[in-house]
Amino acid sequence: AAGVIQSPRHLIKEKRETATLKCYPIPRHDTVYWYQQGPGQDPQFLISFYEKMQSDKGSIPDRFSAQQFSDYHSELNMSSLELGDSALYFCASSALNGLNEQFFGPGTRLTVL
Amino acid sequence: AQTVTQSQPEMSVQEAETVTLSCTYDTSENNYYLFWYKQPPSRQMILVIRQEAYKQQNATENRFSVNFQKAAKSFSLKISDSQLGDTAMYFCAFFYAGNNRKLIWGLGTSLAVNP
Repeated sequence: AAGVIQSPRHLIKEKRETATLKCYPIPRHDTVYWYQQGPGQDPQFLISFYEKMQSDKGSIPDRFSAQQFSDYHSELNMSSLELGDSALYFCASSALNGLNEQFFGPGTRLTVL
Repeated sequence: AQTVTQSQPEMSVQEAETVTLSCTYDTSENNYYLFWYKQPPSRQMILVIRQEAYKQQNATENRFSVNFQKAAKSFSLKISDSQLGDTAMYFCAFFYAGNNRKLIWGLGTSLAVNP
């Protein structure tokens, strides 16, 4: 079965650079979520999209933005990167008519030097 | 606001034995969902089991089962016949559609299965 795809899997950036993370949800899933997980921490919700519209916003810094495109893939744009942005970034998708299960991608490991 | 509490930061169990991970939550809502996710060293987030609050019957998935006590707001995970591959961080998560469908997470329990 198709799963959530995230790219890239690993990313190394310098401070003050920008990064773009991509997420391709499971086919026919209409909702995408972005989470940030620091080492030894639980995932922190950043933002979600339903049918290409922003659904909810969590602890997402103003330096970050995201959108969902017509093909339902989503991109998380991160600017003016800081050392503290180093984390594992998960994308998850779910279907409105499903059982409210969120299926997670493998994550993008971002390292800011 | 909803909260999820996992009071056991670390646990260990011998291979083939049974272990129970605790989770409590706080909500004033009536219709919600509870999940256990597993995060092995690869850090992939894997759904283990799901419970709908309106269902009285406890969910079961092979060696994994839950003890859902709605009145007590408790949602524990039992792993039977523990295997080395069960070694992982286990997160309890709460979902309510009124929260714009975002998961509320516990801090996790690190489970080590010893040979």
